[in-house]
Amino acid sequence: AQSVTQLGSHVSVSEGALVLLRCNYSSSVPPYLFWYVQYPNQGLQLLLKYTTGATLVKGINGFEAEFKKSETSFHLTKPSAHMSDAAEYFCAVSANSGYSTLTFGKGTMLLVSP
Amino acid sequence: GAGVSQSPRYKVAKRGQDVALRCDPISGHVSLFWYQQALGQGPEFLTYFQNEAQLDKSGLPSDRFFAERPEGSVSTLKIQRTQQEDSAVYLCASSSSGQGLGGELFFGEGSRLTVL
Repeated sequence: AQSVTQLGSHVSVSEGALVLLRCNYSSSVPPYLFWYVQYPNQGLQLLLKYTTGATLVKGINGFEAEFKKSETSFHLTKPSAHMSDAAEYFCAVSANSGYSTLTFGKGTMLLVSP
Repeated sequence: GAGVSQSPRYKVAKRGQDVALRCDPISGHVSLFWYQQALGQGPEFLTYFQNEAQLDKSGLPSDRFFAERPEGSVSTLKIQRTQQEDSAVYLCASSSSGQGLGGELFFGEGSRLTVL
């Protein structure tokens, strides 16, 4: 079984500041890890994913995340926030073997102020 | 179509009514998932199809929920005798990969159900 904990239901940053959204996971098998973004009244869009290989993963819109097995973490970062980054972000985990569904965290709303 | 299409986008039902929500996945996608997203929560898994076969329905909350994908493309999620706790956004997602999730899930915009 897998689970995801996202620390902070809301994160506020100023435009141009570092974005850090935290995600910790629990998995009994090696995981696949994902970050999705959801804009109001829209579906979820994949930002990036970790499956195997390099633990630092780069995604769209300048976001990246690092898989740290020892910390069971997959935090999402972006060096400089833009107003257009304001949205809800979901971390998700699945098992990397056989059939598995995605298990999502509760989400973190990113607020960006000018 | 270019993406996953869901209809209706918004549905208001009186308690006790039956509702049907439709999902039209990306053409050729083998896998289809339904998720339920309550207000302020992350999506929660309901059921999974690989082509026309429903391989996992462990997330369906009660026997009032039923899903089908008879020809391996369009899927319908049916909720019988709706209750207020069924109010949520129902998300459909499809993927070109079969078992496993190395492939990307593409989500529709969801169907927002409000039960009065």
